[in-house]
Order: sequence, then C-alpha cells, then structure tokens
Amino acid sequence: GQQVMQIPQYQHVQEGEDFTTYCNSSTTLSNIQWYKQRPGGHPVFLIQLVKSGEVKKQKRLTFQFGEAKKNSSLHITATQTTDVGTYFCAGSTGGFKTIFGAGTRLFVKA
Amino acid sequence: EPEVTQTPSHQVTQMGQEVILRCVPISNHLYFYWYRQILGQKVEFLVSFYNNEISEKSEIFDDQFSVERPDGSNFTLKIRSTKLEDSAMYFCASSPMIAKNIQYFGAGTRLSVL
Repeated sequence: GQQVMQIPQYQHVQEGEDFTTYCNSSTTLSNIQWYKQRPGGHPVFLIQLVKSGEVKKQKRLTFQFGEAKKNSSLHITATQTTDVGTYFCAGSTGGFKTIFGAGTRLFVKA
Repeated sequence: EPEVTQTPSHQVTQMGQEVILRCVPISNHLYFYWYRQILGQKVEFLVSFYNNEISEKSEIFDDQFSVERPDGSNFTLKIRSTKLEDSAMYFCASSPMIAKNIQYFGAGTRLSVL
C-alpha cells in the first residue's frame, strides 16, 4: 500500500540555525500537505502543494514539491524557539485517504 | 475562528466496553474524518465520511468501529468492544468542499483502555 516516509525522525538545532525535513512517497501524489503539531497539541494545517515543482513560502518556511510529485521538503530558516514541535507531511493520491509521514520532531535550543 | 470541537477530552474505559467519541465539525465543511495517534507515533487515517456515508476507510477501521452523523452537527466514532491496543489519541477533522485533503483537526480525545 501507499507509504510516506519522512526523515529525519528528530532534529536538534541551536536557535538561529536552519532546519529541513524531507518527505518521500512510494507513489505519485495528487497533493501534499504539511502540518505542525506542538507537544500535547493537535496537527495544525500549514500549507498544501499541488503542482509539480511547486515552491511556496510562509515567512521563514519554504515548502517544495518535487517534479515527480513523490517527494517534498520543508525548510525553516533561522529557527526560533516557537518553531518547536513535530512537522508532518501528509499525501493523497486523489481520494479521501491521506497518509501521514512519521513526522520530524524539532528541538530548538535557545 | 471556527474550530472542530471534540468531547470528551479524556475517556477512560474498561476493556470490552463500548465508547462513543463525539465531534462537532466546522459548520460549512462537508468532509469529515477520524484519525488515531498512538502516543509518540504518527497520525493514522481511520475513516472519511461524505454525503452521509463512509467514503473511504483504512484496514484499521474494522467491524468494531462505526461512524455516524446523527444530526446536522455531530459526527461520532463508536468503538464497540474496546481493546487495550485501542488506547490512543483520536482526532476528528473536517475539510471544506473546495479542498477535501486540507484538514482542520480538533483537539482530540485521549482514550485510555484499562
């Protein structure tokens, strides 16, 4: 069945350093979403990518969707302590089912 | 800002008992979902619901699970005979008509099966 792999599992950074998490699907996706989950919280929608090669930015966050629509990345420039949490990618092949990656937990040391 | 609300926030039950988890999706959303997250693990799709019927379900969603939209606002997940391994956080989510894969999550119900 469809699988979505995400690496790394954990990332420790010093405040101000950059951070990147990578997502790879076993099948071609129709779209991909990124969510952030704070410790003890629920997933919060960040962005959706739909087009091949799409790049979107939200302030210090840059999201990319691969040309083959099988991989994606989230890059955070100059991390802040407010960025802590787990970042999940979630992909769909066009139906209702969304498969989440295992998430990358980001720790930021002040 | 509209939000998905879930009750209760924490449910403790004995193994073998039935539980009903309740959700009120965002009012103008048309697609509804249940997910499960075992502590520290990834979010797992259980079921999607659209137009008053199940539109898709995962292999986790077996005969012990059922969903219902009993009125115009509530969306429920029933687990018929709970097992220890059903202990998890259960999230309800809803999506607007124009973007069924963009999901807005509730705060979750933590289910503890003893």
